[in-house]
Amino acid sequence: GENVEQHPSTLSVQEGDSAVIKCTYSDSASNYFPWYKQELGKRPQLIIDIRSNVGEKKDQRIAVTLNKTAKHFSLHITETQPEDSAVYFCAASRRSGNTGKLIFGQGTTLQVKP
Amino acid sequence: GAVVSQHPSRVICKSGTSVKIECRSLDFQATTMFWYRQFPKQSLMLMATSNEGSKATYEQGVEKDKFLINHASLTLSTLTVTSAHPEDSSFYICSASPEGGTQYFGPGTRLTVL
Repeated sequence: GENVEQHPSTLSVQEGDSAVIKCTYSDSASNYFPWYKQELGKRPQLIIDIRSNVGEKKDQRIAVTLNKTAKHFSLHITETQPEDSAVYFCAASRRSGNTGKLIFGQGTTLQVKP
Repeated sequence: GAVVSQHPSRVICKSGTSVKIECRSLDFQATTMFWYRQFPKQSLMLMATSNEGSKATYEQGVEKDKFLINHASLTLSTLTVTSAHPEDSSFYICSASPEGGTQYFGPGTRLTVL
């Protein structure tokens, strides 16, 4: 069945360093890949997403890359700040209108040390 | 932006009782909503896809008779946990998206079954 693997499960970096989180998906029909940030006890918040017709997307300090052939996609956060500390989830979906269900990775707990 | 609300935010009930959770899209119509369950320090697990005016589609391993879903209007889906037991204690989150748009999550409902 559909599966998304996410690594690492925990990541600790010094403030100002970069952080990279990687995901692999199994469903070759997936065409939409969002990343969510979740703080403790709160709802997941979309931080960036990418569609399968694009290889890379950037929004300020956050970027996502997609390798469809290898079925890999990654989140890159540069110049990390303490407020970036949270759990990050990748997801994959066969997006068709608003009916595409999201399959989530296991999550990465990012800690940014001041 | 799109806003999704959930009610209640927190509920404590006795074992054997039923609990209803509401999910509303406040500023858009949603023919499809999704229900997730999240255990502490774990990822979001899709439970079911709620379809307006028709039966919900449940993921493998989710008991449809225990987790009743009703999507009676384009802005409201409800999840009823019937005969709740302590193992049903979890964080339940719904999501919805405007037509062709990103999925937005509700704030979640923390269910504790004593």
